[in-house]
Amino acid sequence: DIVVTQSPLSLPVTPGEPASISCTSSQRLLHSSGYNSLNWYLQKPGQSPQLLIYLASNRASGVPDRFSGSGSGTDFTLKISRVEAEDVGVYYCMQDLQVPLTFGGGTKVEIK
Amino acid sequence: EVQLVESGGGLVQPGGSLKLSCSASGFTFSDSAIHWVRQAAGKGLEWIGRIKNKPQNYATAYAASVKGRFTVSRDDSQNTAYLQMNSLRTEDTAIYYCTRRETFIDHWGQGTLVTVSS
Repeated sequence: DIVVTQSPLSLPVTPGEPASISCTSSQRLLHSSGYNSLNWYLQKPGQSPQLLIYLASNRASGVPDRFSGSGSGTDFTLKISRVEAEDVGVYYCMQDLQVPLTFGGGTKVEIK
Repeated sequence: EVQLVESGGGLVQPGGSLKLSCSASGFTFSDSAIHWVRQAAGKGLEWIGRIKNKPQNYATAYAASVKGRFTVSRDDSQNTAYLQMNSLRTEDTAIYYCTRRETFIDHWGQGTLVTVSS
């Protein structure tokens, strides 16, 4: 199974400041079609997860442009250029290159 | 608008069975794979299984933790997917989400709570 590791576990942030979350996989996530099979989700308190970034670097529909994803192979990053209060919640990366699909342990983002 | 609505959760005794449903709308259900993901209280997300579409022979796959106990199925005529859960254990207590996957998982249902307890 592909192991996905996220850091940090917790991320206190000041509104208006940037934030960054790292995701590392135990195997390369490069699909034969040329894209990286790594997605980012945000689970706001009391809600289902919602897609933020797909295929490592593509913002999902409706996602503000302060969110960006980067990386390739085994190392990926989610960045928030300027954190807003509505961005609090738990962020998960997930690989879907192969089953079993696996998630990172989550990063809890909270406002200082 | 894509919608996925789970139902069928509830309280069940250890060793019991439960069948969850995932009713879909707003997209061509028969084109998509359906994946099930669960989340125990205060914990992270765990993928538990999936069923592909008809062109991919409705292929199924399961997490090791549920293989042999859980079965994913679908009825494209009803736009509904199912998760049959047998031999339930206390550690299966969680919110169960159905999700849609085409190239990636992009939509999640609101989840249904399954509690396994005596």
